[in-house]
This record gives sequence, C-alpha cells and structure tokens, in this order.
Amino acid sequence: SQTIHQWPATLVQPVGSPLSLECTVEGTSNPNLYWYRQAAGRGLQLLFYSVGIGQISSEVPQNLSASRPQDRQFILSSKKLLLSDSGFYLCAWSVKSVEAFFGQGTRLTVV
Amino acid sequence: DQQVKQNSPSLSVQEGRISILNCDYTNSMFDYFLWYKKYPAEGPTFLISISSIKDKNEDGRFTVFLNKSAKHLSLHIVPSQPGDSAVYFCAASGTGNQFYFGTGTSLTVIP
Repeated sequence: SQTIHQWPATLVQPVGSPLSLECTVEGTSNPNLYWYRQAAGRGLQLLFYSVGIGQISSEVPQNLSASRPQDRQFILSSKKLLLSDSGFYLCAWSVKSVEAFFGQGTRLTVV
Repeated sequence: DQQVKQNSPSLSVQEGRISILNCDYTNSMFDYFLWYKKYPAEGPTFLISISSIKDKNEDGRFTVFLNKSAKHLSLHIVPSQPGDSAVYFCAASGTGNQFYFGTGTSLTVIP
C-alpha cells in the first residue's frame, strides 16, 4: 500500500533562517507531488506541484522553492524565512489527478 | 482568484440530523470533485469524490451531489455523528495536475 511521510511535524524557526521540509512517498511510482499551505483561518493554498523528477511548477510567487531530486521525494525550502511563512504545510501525492493523499503536515512557526 | 469557494465557514447540526455542506466553483473545465475531512494538526483525509459525468455518488452516510449547470456541489451527511465534527474541504481538478481547494467549512455536530 502507498504511504506518505512528511517531517518534521512541528518546527519553530527564527526569521531569516533557512528551511527544509521533506516528503517521501512509498508504494507508488511517478506520482504527482504537491506542497500546500494552510495559513491560520484559511483554506489550502497550492504552492508547488511536480509531475516528475526535476519538474516543478510554482503556483504562487513567494519566498519558497521546491525540488524533486528523486521520483518519490519532494522538498520545500527557503533561504530566509519571513514571519508570513508561518503556517501548516502539507505534502500530497496523486496519480493522474484522481484522489490526492496527504501527509500529516508540518506546523511551522517563524518567530 | 479563488476558483473553488465554500461560503459557509461554519455549520452546527444536531446529532442524528442531516449536515449539508456546500461548494461552488467557477472553472467549467473542472471534471472531478472531491471532499476531504480535516482534523486540527492533521492532514486532510479523502472522503468521497464525483466525476462530472455523474450527478450523485453515495458512500454510506456520505452523499455528494453535483449540479454542473449551477457549478455547485454539496456533501450530505446522514445521520450526523459527533465524530463528524471537523473541517471539510471541497476540491476540484481538471485536465491539469492541480487540485484546487475551497476555504473549508467547520462542522460541529452537537450531541
């Protein structure tokens, strides 16, 4: 069966520090991979999606970047965090845009 | 530009009664619609979906209705149970690889 792992679960980082969130999927090949953010009191905002290794599409211009170094690995990064980057970050995978399956999320607090 | 909208941020229902959660979309190219349930500090879990070739899909206590002409879908939960209390997101996808989510409706089922 397919599983998705996302870590860390919680993270507190100072303003200006770098960020690296990692997501890996098991049990499937060539999935579509996604990073979403849920800001306080808001919906799920699509940040990045990837249909293959090295292929990244950005939905929202911002202080973040994404990379897909391996088929089932998706990384969300920032060189310098802003206060506004605080939120709940979710990784998800899908096959052919049918159901998307989410990880448990990372609560990021930038202080 | 919010392509998927959930205009009711919250809903309270008595246990045993019907819960109706509504969702509207603007993009006529969407052809697949999904509902997710989310508890705090967890990733969303898939509930039920419907293809644009159907107008109804039922799974146990959950039924999703799609009205393509009105660009509207709804999730019915009958009977509602206290464990159904959560935030519900509707989502849509089309020929692209993205899933677009609404802002969520917080359902509270009162015992």
